[in-house]
Amino acid sequence: GDSVTQMEGPVTLSEEAFLTINCTYTATGYPSLFWYVQYPGEGLQLLLKATKADDKGSNKGFEATYRKETTSFHLEKGSVQVSDSAVYFCALDPHAGNNRKLIWGLGTSLAVNP
Amino acid sequence: GAVVSQHPSWVICKSGTSVKIECRSLDFQATTMFWYRQFPKQSLMLMATSNEGSKATYEQGVEKDKFLINHASLTLSTLTVTSAHPEDSSFYICSAPDRGRSYEQYFGPGTRLTVT
Repeated sequence: GDSVTQMEGPVTLSEEAFLTINCTYTATGYPSLFWYVQYPGEGLQLLLKATKADDKGSNKGFEATYRKETTSFHLEKGSVQVSDSAVYFCALDPHAGNNRKLIWGLGTSLAVNP
Repeated sequence: GAVVSQHPSWVICKSGTSVKIECRSLDFQATTMFWYRQFPKQSLMLMATSNEGSKATYEQGVEKDKFLINHASLTLSTLTVTSAHPEDSSFYICSAPDRGRSYEQYFGPGTRLTVT
């Protein structure tokens, strides 16, 4: 079945460091891909998304490109800030029916130190 | 963006009692809502899909008699944890896809349940 594999955390970086969080997927069709973020004590928020191959999602300095050839959707940011400390989830929508059940990675905790 | 609310945001109950958690879509109608449980190591577990006007669909391993789901209207789904035990203590999150926004999912802020 469809699945998402996300790099394990925790990831600890210094402010202004480069961030990459790897995400790969398996899917039988043409899924949409998402990155969600959960800040401490808050609910999940959509960070960015891509709906087809070669699309690049971007938001708040974060980027991820939908790579069908490598079945990947890695999250990157050139210069992280302390405020980026959060848990990041990669997710997939297989477009199977209309109920839009997402397939989730396990989440990667990011801590950015000043 | 769309807003999904949850109530209560936190609850403490005694072992053996039941607790009801509400999930509301505030500015859109949702024929489907999802209930998740989030474990301390942050992973999300989909518990069930709540379907307006029909029975919920439970994921494998989730006891439907313990976690009762009712989706009585297009804006409200409830999760009732029956005869709660300490191992049910967790963070429960709901989400709803908004058909008017390409089925983008919106999440409630979560409910922290502690069973003593």
